Amino acid sequence: EVQLLESGGALVQGGGSLRLSCVGSGFMFSSYAINWVRQAPGKGLEWVSLISGFGSNTYYADSVKGRFTISRDNSKNTVYLQMNSLRADDTAVYYCAKDVVTAIFSYFDSWGQGTLVTVSS
Amino acid sequence: QSLLTQPPSASGTPGQRVTMSCSGTNSNIGTNSVNWYQQFSGTAPKLLIFNNDQRPSGIPDRFSGSKSGTSASLAISGLQSDDEAEYFCSAWDDSLIGAWVFGGGTKLTVL
Repeated sequence: EVQLLESGGALVQGGGSLRLSCVGSGFMFSSYAINWVRQAPGKGLEWVSLISGFGSNTYYADSVKGRFTISRDNSKNTVYLQMNSLRADDTAVYYCAKDVVTAIFSYFDSWGQGTLVTVSS
Repeated sequence: QSLLTQPPSASGTPGQRVTMSCSGTNSNIGTNSVNWYQQFSGTAPKLLIFNNDQRPSGIPDRFSGSKSGTSASLAISGLQSDDEAEYFCSAWDDSLIGAWVFGGGTKLTVL
């Protein structure tokens, strides 16, 4: 069974830093890209970042570019999201999602349960 | 501001057929496939439809998706109370340096 488990969410002061982790199991971890998607309280989904299976390609939403860094350690089946210069509008539940990519289409077939990040102003 | 536009709400009675729309641009829906995710309150999203109209295993055929031009639709037939949830469309956007975009979500109420 495919599982994704996020951790690292916490209450942090504005301007502070936090590192989230996403541990995957039940699949060939290095073969899949992993995304971070966040959801502010009462709001919709916002894509944050993507890292390819071997970590050679990374992408970021404009709202986090220059502040967040995504990385992965395939020996530990883990993807990280280093978040610096945190702002109040970064407050959200952060989900990691496994990305199925084909030549024609791609989609998120599995999601973690989420971890809550709260940034106090 | 979401790059894909969805109506904020939809409703129907049990047994009815409801549809919800998702409008994008040439750089996202017009070029790439659309996926739909279902999210119940307080839980993680779940894949409902991928590649415009494909259902993952375990998703009943009451759920169907379609795409035309820069718009997509999700239809639910034989509406059930358990379908009350929020539905998000998503597509890859080619206009930026690569990015996934989501709609703002449609909250479905079963009356």
